[in-house]
Amino acid sequence: QVTLRESGPALVKPTQTLTLTCTFSGFSLSTSGMCVSWIRQPPGKALEWLARIDWDDDKYYSTSLKTRLTISKDTSKNQVVLTMTNMDPVDTATYYCARTSGYGDPGIVAFDIWGQGTMVTVSS
Amino acid sequence: QSVLTQPPSVSGAPGQRVTISCTGSSSNIGAGYDVHWYQQLPGTAPKLLIYGNSNRPSGVPDRFSGSKSGTSASLAITGLQAEDEADYYCQSYDSSLSGSDWVFGGGTKLTVL
Repeated sequence: QVTLRESGPALVKPTQTLTLTCTFSGFSLSTSGMCVSWIRQPPGKALEWLARIDWDDDKYYSTSLKTRLTISKDTSKNQVVLTMTNMDPVDTATYYCARTSGYGDPGIVAFDIWGQGTMVTVSS
Repeated sequence: QSVLTQPPSVSGAPGQRVTISCTGSSSNIGAGYDVHWYQQLPGTAPKLLIYGNSNRPSGVPDRFSGSKSGTSASLAITGLQAEDEADYYCQSYDSSLSGSDWVFGGGTKLTVL
């Protein structure tokens, strides 16, 4: 059974750096073809893809946010970490990690298993 | 402003059929990239509902179906049930001179009357 769980601070101040951890089970990021993405959803708004990391350590970032994002993995711990710098109130959202299918062809990529999400509020 | 356009809301009575559209452009759906659909029940995480334009993951009822044509895609739900009341999102890949991203529609709220 594949599960993912996000963890991190519920509240961050403007200009601070956010660090989120995705801990997963039921698959390994050392297995060929495995990928994990981060996606966020502001309250009452749509989903937004943020970043993706692959089993071979290839990384992809949202065009609009790439200067602020860093994604990394710790295969031994089954964890993926996302950092976002210079947080702003508009970054208030629920942040999800999701197992990502479609390695090797960006046109077929889908997010097949999602974590429950973690709500992050940016406020002073 | 989402790259993929969905109607904000649709509604239908129990037992009826409803469709949700997802309109893109030549840099995403029209380029031949797959469209996927997600169902988000109130207060929960999204769940993959349709992948690869028209395929259902194991466990998804065959009341749900997807199709794609040109620069648009559609999700159809037949035999509407109260438990189908949720937000629905389409997703695809967008690649243009300004960059490449995996993109979502703005979401459609389905109300079962």
